[in-house]
Amino acid sequence: QVQLQQSGPGLVKPSETLSLTCTVSGGSINTDIYYWNWIRQPPGKGLEWIGTVYYSGSTHYNPSLKSRLTMYIDRSKSQFSLRLSSVTAADTAVYYCARQYAGTGALNWFDPWGQGTLVTVSS
Amino acid sequence: DIQMTQSPSSLSASVGDSVTITCRASQTISGYVNWYQLKPGKAPKLLIYAASRLQSGVPSRFSGSGSGTHFTLTISSLQPEDFATYFCQQSYSTLYTFGQGTNLEIK
Repeated sequence: QVQLQQSGPGLVKPSETLSLTCTVSGGSINTDIYYWNWIRQPPGKGLEWIGTVYYSGSTHYNPSLKSRLTMYIDRSKSQFSLRLSSVTAADTAVYYCARQYAGTGALNWFDPWGQGTLVTVSS
Repeated sequence: DIQMTQSPSSLSASVGDSVTITCRASQTISGYVNWYQLKPGKAPKLLIYAASRLQSGVPSRFSGSGSGTHFTLTISSLQPEDFATYFCQQSYSTLYTFGQGTNLEIK
């Protein structure tokens, strides 16, 4: 059974770069059947999709974050990662990684998810 | 962006009750809605995909329906482990968006 394990710091200073990594175990990251995503939930708010990285390394970002966002995949380590630059308090959130089944057309969904990492932006 | 308006934002119910959560999309999205359960400190869980298809391993007391702009998640005969937060999500647009969530609490 595929599991996603997240790692990265829980505290980032304002204006610095937030970095998180998701390690995939129990299944291959080297497939075009699945896409690899980051999603976040600010305190007291709803979920926000951040972006997708494909096994090829190409990416698809939420336009609201695109200018600050880099996502990449390391197939040799079965990992994919998120870097969000110039963070502010508004970026404080629980960050989740998630696998997305790439079904036909719009038939896709996020499953499974990582356990979540609370990242607080504060000096 | 496709807005997903979820209601109610919170709901109190008792074990054994049946509850329904609604999601309305700002434009027609066919049947491309998924439902998730979130619990603090745990990985979110996919319950329903493509509006009405039950994810493997999810109890049959969970069901989904709807198409176009109106979607529902129904939980029949609530169990103690069902008290959690629920989110809908549209996959019609590749700018994936979620509802604001429904916090289901024990009465």
